[in-house]
Amino acid sequence: KAGVTQTPRYLIKTRGQQVTLSCSPISGHRSVSWYQQTPGQGLQFLFEYFSETQRNKGNFPGRFSGRQFSNSRSEMNVSTLELGDSALYLCASSPGVNYGYTFGSGTRLTVV
Amino acid sequence: QKEVEQDPGPLSVPEGAIVSLNCTYSNSAFQYFMWYRQYSRKGPELLMYTYSSGNKEDGRFTAQVDKSSKYISLFIRDSQPSDSATYLCATQSGNTPLVFGKGTRLSVIA
Repeated sequence: KAGVTQTPRYLIKTRGQQVTLSCSPISGHRSVSWYQQTPGQGLQFLFEYFSETQRNKGNFPGRFSGRQFSNSRSEMNVSTLELGDSALYLCASSPGVNYGYTFGSGTRLTVV
Repeated sequence: QKEVEQDPGPLSVPEGAIVSLNCTYSNSAFQYFMWYRQYSRKGPELLMYTYSSGNKEDGRFTAQVDKSSKYISLFIRDSQPSDSATYLCATQSGNTPLVFGKGTRLSVIA
C-alpha cells in the first residue's frame, strides 16, 4: 500500500516568489492536513481538508492557502515568500476522524 | 503556557536501557494521545495511539496516559541504536487538529 507522497522533496525559491506543494494521500483517505515544521517552533498546523472542504485552519497569514481535489489529492500554495517560510512542510492523511494520521516525508522549502 | 510541553533533550542512553519520554498538556478536553517517531530527513511515523487514560503496549513500546495529571509517557524497553530519533507527542480533541510537542531527541549508544 503506497504511503503519503509529497512532491517535490526539495525546493529553493527567492523571496517574493510563490510556490505550490503537492500531496497525494493514502488511497481511501479523505482527510489531508498540512503542517509546517521548523527547529524553533516544531510542528505547527496549517490547515485540514476533508472531502474537498477546509475543516480546520491554523494561525498562519493569508499567504498560505490550500485546496483538495475530488480524488483527495491536495495542494498548498504560499505566495510572496519570506525568508521565515523556510521549513519542512509535511502533509498527513487519515481515513477520518480520530484514526491517527500518516505523514509523508515532506517538502523542504528554502527561501533565499 | 503552550498546550503541549515536551523536554527537547537531547537524551542519550546506552543500548538496552529503558527509556522514558514524557509530555504534559494543559487542555483537559484532549482525548486522543499519540506518539510519533521521526528520523532525520523523514516525516513523523505513528508509533502509538491511545484514547483517554490508561496504558497501551506494542512490543517494546508502552504508552501511558494519566488524564488526572495531564501527563503522557512513552516507555521503550531494551532500547536499540535504531531507536535513535526524535519522538513527538501529540494530542487531539474530537475534530480538532493535532497539537504536537516540540519533540525529544533520543540517542541510543551501542
